[in-house]
Parts: sequence; C-alpha cells; structure tokens
Amino acid sequence: QVQVVESGGGVVQPGRSLRLSCAASGFSFSGYAMHWVRQAPGKGLEWVAVISYDGSNKYYADSVKGRFIISRDNSKNTLYLQMNGLRAEDTALYYCAPYSSGWYGDYWGQGTLVTVSS
Amino acid sequence: QSALTQPASVSGSPGQSITISCAGTSSDVGGYDFVSWYQQHPGKAPKLVIYEVSNRPSGVSHRFSGSKSGDTASLTISGLQAEDEADYYCSSYTSSSISRVLFGGGTKLTVL
Repeated sequence: QVQVVESGGGVVQPGRSLRLSCAASGFSFSGYAMHWVRQAPGKGLEWVAVISYDGSNKYYADSVKGRFIISRDNSKNTLYLQMNGLRAEDTALYYCAPYSSGWYGDYWGQGTLVTVSS
Repeated sequence: QSALTQPASVSGSPGQSITISCAGTSSDVGGYDFVSWYQQHPGKAPKLVIYEVSNRPSGVSHRFSGSKSGDTASLTISGLQAEDEADYYCSSYTSSSISRVLFGGGTKLTVL
C-alpha cells in the first residue's frame, strides 16, 4: 500500500541546518509531485514547498523561501528538505505527501518533529 | 500570501448538518476547481475528505460533501456523528507567483 515515512527531525539551535527525508513506497514516486507541509504545535497546517515529478520545478512558501531547499532522488524514491538558517518559528511537525494532479494530497505520513531551540 | 479564511469553530448536535466555509480570492478558490478538504483528529495525520471541490475519495462517508460559489468553498457534513469531531482544513491551488498551495486556518468542529 502507499506509504510515506518522514525522518531526520530533531532538536537544533537557531541558525543551524537540518535535512529531512521522506521515503516513499507503494506508488510510482517518479510520477508524482511531492509536497512538504508543516504544523506548529497547537497550530494549523502550513504549506511549505512542492517539487515537480521530475525535479524541474520548485515552489516555496514566503516564510521559507531562500532558506529551505526541496529536492528528490527518483532512483531512491526519496524526497528531501534541506532547512538552513532555522528559526524558532520553524518548530513544527513536518509532513510529506504525494499530490495528485488536482492539487490534493491523498496519502500522508506521520510526520517528523523539528524543534528549533537554544 | 494570506491563508484562506475559515471560521475558528462550528458546532452541531448529532444528526444535524453543519457547513464550514472557506473564503479565498479569484487567484485561488475562485479561479480553479482545485479545492480540497482535510479532517484531522488530535495527534493524527490529516485525512483527505473532499478533493477538486466536490469529489469524495473512496472510503469517505457520503455524509461529507463539498461545493463552491465564487471565491468561497464550503464543506457540509450531514447526519453529524461523534466521530466527526475534529479539525477541518480547506486548501486550494493558488496562481501566486511565489507559492502554489494555500491552507485555511482550520475549523474546530464540536459535536455537542
């Protein structure tokens, strides 16, 4: 069945970097755009970034543009999020999700928690 | 880019119907039929309940329905059940030059 498993979260100091990974299985990874969505503790969902099926197009939320980089390795069925210059407000549970052509995510993982704190 | 606008909370009694609104602009909700709705129970991942304005994924109860009028989308849940108590988020594609997806702030549904 479709499965996405996020990893790489942890506690990091402000200004430092962290790389998240999302391992996908059960579907044709190379045929799907992939998204990162985050949720700060007790807050709502916030879209972070998207990468097209072949990696040629990438878009970011204003709040992370210039600091975060989304990438993928279709040979490994894996999505990444390189997070640089982390801030306290980046503290959140980060989800990855494959999105269908109608711009909706029908499969979600359990997320990986990133805590930015000194 | 501003988030889509949802009421913070709605409530209803078992068996009743409720509607959650999601207000956007012509650059997102009003301009495209790419509105989706997610249900999220505490401590759980979001679950898709409506996609492309009014389509229900396989396995989602027929009590869930979606619609759109102008720049506002709506999620209606009929025959409320205790298990429907959750947070609900709308989302839309946006033609913003920077981002591509917007979420609403979320609506807490309480079943009285």
